[in-house]
Amino acid sequence: DTAVSQTPKYLVTQMGNDKSIKCEQNLGHDTMYWYKQDSKKFLKIMFSYNNKELIINETVPNRFSPKSPDKAHLNLHINSLELGDSAVYFCASSQDDSHQPQHFGDGTRLSIL
Amino acid sequence: GIQVEQSPPDLILQEGANSTLRCNFSDSVNNLQWFHQNPWGQLINLFYIPSGTKQNGRLSATTVATERYSLLYISSSQTTDSGVYFCAVARRGGTSYGKLTFGQGTILTVHP
Repeated sequence: DTAVSQTPKYLVTQMGNDKSIKCEQNLGHDTMYWYKQDSKKFLKIMFSYNNKELIINETVPNRFSPKSPDKAHLNLHINSLELGDSAVYFCASSQDDSHQPQHFGDGTRLSIL
Repeated sequence: GIQVEQSPPDLILQEGANSTLRCNFSDSVNNLQWFHQNPWGQLINLFYIPSGTKQNGRLSATTVATERYSLLYISSSQTTDSGVYFCAVARRGGTSYGKLTFGQGTILTVHP
């Protein structure tokens, strides 16, 4: 009965590859987010979707493409992976886009060799 | 954008001690959350507290929105409290659309 689930938990791959991270929430929320945590533990938003519509795109390279097939899912596809993409990626969801708490998944640790 | 500053950056305690973590923010907010990132990397929701005071067991939090700060109190600390504590806020109004801006965190180490 996990509220926000991400797969995979760990992803180890080589530079130049393309990979996807999946996120699903069963809370009935209509807004979902992707955050990136770098090696210094700093967390920063990447994208936000509300009812499958892109709301926030925080100057993320266009190698990163979020896709929301329905409001319970927000996937993150990354093309041509670079060493600097190594980080922990967190998915989150909330009932609306500002006045409600955000609930986070357990994160996906991406390591680029 | 909104600025979020947490203090202290590091805190070392003996088990049983009490502590206060502070979060200052630079603009009006309609969301403020405290998180604990445990040693396994999970972000645990502690409080949703854009204003007022809440308590949950040994933890409590107070946000004074008019003065733009929030405090997290940990009483009778335990080794399992170790980890990184983050404050995150969403700016009221504008085009923030609920995006959380995180502070840099407070690293708490509790020794037995």
